[in-house]
Amino acid sequence: AQKVTQAQTEISVVEKEDVTLDCVYETRDTTYYLFWYKQPPSGELVFLIRRNSFDEQNEISGRYSWNFQKSTSSFNFTITASQVVDSAVYFCALSISGNTPLVFGKGTRLSVIA
Amino acid sequence: DTGVSQDPRHKITKRGQNVTFRCDPISEHNRLYWYRQTLGQGPEFLTYFQNEAQLEKSRLLSDRFSAERPKGSFSTLEIQRTEQGDSAMYLCASSTGKGYTFGSGTRLTVV
Repeated sequence: AQKVTQAQTEISVVEKEDVTLDCVYETRDTTYYLFWYKQPPSGELVFLIRRNSFDEQNEISGRYSWNFQKSTSSFNFTITASQVVDSAVYFCALSISGNTPLVFGKGTRLSVIA
Repeated sequence: DTGVSQDPRHKITKRGQNVTFRCDPISEHNRLYWYRQTLGQGPEFLTYFQNEAQLEKSRLLSDRFSAERPKGSFSTLEIQRTEQGDSAMYLCASSTGKGYTFGSGTRLTVV
């Protein structure tokens, strides 16, 4: 069985601060996919990134960056120079094939204060 | 590509009533998923389809829940004899293997 743990329930930062959201996963499969989604107050899940287990390269997209480390089973997400619009709940998720059900963590609620 | 549509967006029902939700996936997506999300929790998997075939059902899907995807296009999720514990956001997603697209969800309140 797969499991995703997001230990941080809520984080509050002041605008322009950097913030890292932690994600630790468990799976016995050697091939898997990791995802991050953003859920703003409107409720829709917005896709941010997908990473497969064979690609440990870190990725940067604008103010967002992701650090994937198989050795520690972690897939952490950093927002640089946070903005109020980043306020949302962020979910880390895992699937085995990329086309099978996602297993989600409980989410981290990020509040960015102006 | 019009995204994944869910209807209705909100539903308030009395305990004991039956409710049905609809999900229209992205047309070329052959897999369709239903999730339930309660306050402060991540989405929890309920069931999924490949075309019209239901491939897996979670233990969360009690006998009061049934899902269909009769022609491999839209899907319905029915809850019979609703209970207050059924109050949640019901999310639908579709995929082709390159990623999952979620709808805006149906928020169910059982009073």
